[in-house]
Amino acid sequence: QVQLVESGGGVVQPGGSLRLSCAASGFIFSSYGMHWVRQAPGKGLEWVAIVLFDGMTPHYTDSVKGRFSISRDNSKNILYLQMNSLGPEDTAFYYCAKDYSSTSYIDFWGPGTLVTVSS
Amino acid sequence: IQMTQSPSSLSASVGDRVTITCRATQGIGKDLDWYQQKPGKAPKLLIYGASSLQTGVPSRFSGTGSGTNFTLTINNMQPEDFATYYCLQDSSFPWTFGQGTKVDVK
Repeated sequence: QVQLVESGGGVVQPGGSLRLSCAASGFIFSSYGMHWVRQAPGKGLEWVAIVLFDGMTPHYTDSVKGRFSISRDNSKNILYLQMNSLGPEDTAFYYCAKDYSSTSYIDFWGPGTLVTVSS
Repeated sequence: IQMTQSPSSLSASVGDRVTITCRATQGIGKDLDWYQQKPGKAPKLLIYGASSLQTGVPSRFSGTGSGTNFTLTINNMQPEDFATYYCLQDSSFPWTFGQGTKVDVK
């Protein structure tokens, strides 16, 4: 069965960096687009980024462009999110999510990892 | 593309029919999905392509619409359906969610 497990969350100071990882199993990881979606505590969902199956052509929401970088290692079945220049507005649960195919719709989500940006 | 979801919250009883709407600021064809989220849990896909029921989702859930106006209907509300619901447009990047509709017990 599909499994996605995020890791790397924690507390980071404003201006700092953090790298999230998502270990995938139960499907052919290299064949699917992968997403990051975040949710500030008590707030709604915000789509963050997507990387296509080949690792090329990422897309980002405007608020993270130039600060966040999504990537993947298809040999290890791991999705990454490198987050730089973090601010309090980036405090959120970060969900790794699988696309149905390349860029169709999100059909499965990991349990999430919490990132807290605070001094 | 901005997604406006309404209402932001509603109260319902078991057995009720519930309707949630989502409006896009420009036409998105049928590139609209619906998710259910329960407290402390990841979202779960209910409907994709505006009207296609995800495998394993009860048939009391249904979706309609195209272009800019979409609707999620829950017929015969069950206790496990009290949750927050989100629409997502996947027509063009950046993908965007509606702000959510919390359905609680009347």
